[in-house]
Parts: sequence; structure tokens; C-alpha cells
Amino acid sequence: DAGVIQSPRHEVTEMGQEVTLRCKPISGHDYLFWYRQTMMRGLELLIYFNNNVPIDDSGMPEDRFSAKMPNASFSTLKIQPSEPRDSAVYFCASSLGSRLFFGSGTQLSVL
Amino acid sequence: GQQVMQIPQYQHVQEGEDFTTYCNSSTTLSNIQWYKQRPGGHPVFLIQLVKSGEVKKQKRLTFQFGEAKKNSSLHITATQTTDVGTYFCAGDTSGTYKYIFGTGTRLKVLA
Repeated sequence: DAGVIQSPRHEVTEMGQEVTLRCKPISGHDYLFWYRQTMMRGLELLIYFNNNVPIDDSGMPEDRFSAKMPNASFSTLKIQPSEPRDSAVYFCASSLGSRLFFGSGTQLSVL
Repeated sequence: GQQVMQIPQYQHVQEGEDFTTYCNSSTTLSNIQWYKQRPGGHPVFLIQLVKSGEVKKQKRLTFQFGEAKKNSSLHITATQTTDVGTYFCAGDTSGTYKYIFGTGTRLKVLA
């Protein structure tokens, strides 16, 4: 299995632009998580899905952030409009309900 | 909300010395996981503890789950340069697979 696949690996954008991060979970996994990692705040859980349904989005910072999971093999995290404080590494992880398998992350820089 | 703290934040040891990181949750956990993140990498699962007072070993690594299921520790015996990285605990409070990550302990091993 190829593992959790995230794209792009790096994203540089200007403040105010829309950013879309993509994730393909491991086939057969029924949980999908989006985490954000910064030096100041560590690894924060943004939202997680079970069987494509959002279970808890209490970690989503504000209305500028949205996440979707249209099917079992794809999820997106969208930031619109982006701000410099959104700069971070965004990780997607999938699971069968136990151990988490992380993707390689997307390094987002908002200028 | 739930908080998971780890101490110390940083630890520098000489190769061959022992290392311990402690994880404390503000709420009782249904289970706890440990992950290792190498510099520039993504978190990689190490182990899961479920039972009160549980102790598990993986070669030079010893993991403990507290009797009250609110704290945990990871001990590395005779550190090696390959142990360098950040160690995270991740707790699930309600058995809903909502894993909240601790603040992490960054380990540096000096050869």
C-alpha cells in the first residue's frame, strides 16, 4: 500500500488567496483526520471523519477553514481567504479506529 | 477542553544515557498512543496502551500507563543517535478515536 498521500507537498501563496489541500487515505480505513502543526501550538486536531461523515470539527479555527470528504478515498481541506498565521504543516492521517497513519504533510506558507 | 501536556519540552543526552518523557492529561483517557517524529518527517506510531497500570516494552523502549489512566511515560534505555526526534503522546478520552496530541518532547542525542 502506498500509505496516506497528501498533495501538494509544499504550497506558497499570498494572503487572501484560496488554498486547497488534498488527502488520499489508506484504502479500507474508515477514519480520516486533519491535523495542523506549528512550533507555537504543536499538533492540533482540526477535524475528523468517520465513514466520510464529519464527527468533530471543534478544532477548525474559524469559518475560513472547511473540510470535505466526498468519498472514502478523498478529502480536502480548504482555506479561504488564507492569512499569514495559517502558515503551518498540515497533516492528514487515516485509521481503522486505532493507530493513526500519517501522510507526509503539506508545508503551507502564506505570504 | 482536554489538554495533554508533556515534560520536558526538550532533552539533550549523551549517547548511552537514559531518557524519559512524561505525559499528563487533564481528563481520564480510554487509551493512549505514542508517536515518534523525526526532524522534517511525520509522526509514526510506536505503541498503544489501554489498561490501567499497563507496561509494554519494545527493545530499549518502555511504556507505562498510569493507574488512574491520566498519565503515561516513555523511557528509553541507553539512547542511540537513531533515537533523535520528537516524541508525542496522544490520548483518546471518550473512546471515540478523537486523539489529542501532547505538546511533545524533543530529544537530541550527542555522540
